[in-house]
Amino acid sequence: GENVEQHPSTLSVQEGDSAVIKCTYSDSASNYFPWYKQELGKRPQLIIDIRSNVGEKKDQRIAVTLNKTAKHFSLHITETQPEDSAVYFCAATASGSSASKIIFGSGTRLSIRP
Amino acid sequence: GAGVSQSPSNKVTEKGKDVELRCDPISGHTALYWYRQSLGQGLEFLIYFQGNSAPDKSGLPSDRFSAERTGGSVSTLTIQRTQQEDSAVYLCASSPRQGNYGYTFGSGTRLTVV
Repeated sequence: GENVEQHPSTLSVQEGDSAVIKCTYSDSASNYFPWYKQELGKRPQLIIDIRSNVGEKKDQRIAVTLNKTAKHFSLHITETQPEDSAVYFCAATASGSSASKIIFGSGTRLSIRP
Repeated sequence: GAGVSQSPSNKVTEKGKDVELRCDPISGHTALYWYRQSLGQGLEFLIYFQGNSAPDKSGLPSDRFSAERTGGSVSTLTIQRTQQEDSAVYLCASSPRQGNYGYTFGSGTRLTVV
């Protein structure tokens, strides 16, 4: 089945600097890659997603890149702000009969230093 | 409803008792998912529903866990003979249809088995 690896597990950056979180996936048939942000004590929320027919997608300070050949995808946050502090999860769809199931990475705890 | 609603928000139960957790998805969302999140951990897939059927139950940890969905809407997750290792936040999510769409999560049920 699908396996999603995420790193780093923790990341601390200076406010205003950029943060990058990287993920790899195992199932070459996966074709949808969402990212979720979970603030302390709150529910995960979808912040951006990318489909396999696209290599990059941007939304203001957030961008995702996808390398299907290498089975890598990354989240880039520029000009980080205190409210970016949270746990971020990457995810990928499983294929076949479980095509509706999303498998999550283990999460990255991002801290923004003032 | 406007969002995914879960009840109860918190549940403390004695070891060996049965518990029922409820999820009310966004109106019109045909796909419904249950995940489990232990303290400081990632999101562990349990089961998903397309309509009232459950094509994938592969994540249910043991036969003490079961789930059903009726009327293509509300779902209940039942844990029989609860154990301390069942303590976690149980998250429900829904999406418009089967396939590669982002989930909307509920706020979860925090289950504590004492």
